[in-house]
Amino acid sequence: GAGVSQSPSNKVTEKGKDVELRCDPISGHTALYWYRQSLGQGLEFLIYFQGNSAPDKSGLPSDRFSAERTGGSVSTLTIQRTQQEDSAVYLCASSLLADSYEQYFGPGTRLTVT
Amino acid sequence: AQSVTQPDIHITVSEGASLELRCNYSYGATPYLFWYVQSPGQGLQLLLKYFSGDTLVQGIKGFEAEFKRSQSSFNLRKPSVHWSDAAEYFCAVGNNAGNMLTFGGGTRLMVKP
Repeated sequence: GAGVSQSPSNKVTEKGKDVELRCDPISGHTALYWYRQSLGQGLEFLIYFQGNSAPDKSGLPSDRFSAERTGGSVSTLTIQRTQQEDSAVYLCASSLLADSYEQYFGPGTRLTVT
Repeated sequence: AQSVTQPDIHITVSEGASLELRCNYSYGATPYLFWYVQSPGQGLQLLLKYFSGDTLVQGIKGFEAEFKRSQSSFNLRKPSVHWSDAAEYFCAVGNNAGNMLTFGGGTRLMVKP
């Protein structure tokens, strides 16, 4: 079956602009996660959605970052007023509720802020 | 707070040689441990996981890992490396709530012909 998909695969934006990154989880997976992978920081947890519960935003680095999940499926990660330090690969993962630890990752979106 | 350390940033092995990638974790309770592999331009793929029970776990692609509580380690092994194993490998620990993975810094594996 189809895996986790993310779009765009690459995004180049100017400093100060807003960007939206999209994640389509595996059908039937109720949990969705966003991670950031950067050279200096490695892989960092950003945010977690589980069903209709309030998301766990504990990993978001600043209030410029936000995410939503519509209809319990597709998720959008928004970064406002992008900074050069936001340049990274943003990875999305999903998992079944009953097996939350087995996370399936998408290919990521490479964001470059110039 | 939980943490994961992968002491080796880069490792180079010859094709056909054995491999061991080190992972040390810090966690207050019984850890849930994972190894993921990331090929260039690809997402992370789960190789294997340890939740409880037998401390030697088998994964995909011929990999195995051994949980050693006394050493706080979860090292990944493969008896004979193939050129296609060249990739970056990440060890991770899961929190009790099941909603977050903490990753190590990764080990980049290069395979010599």
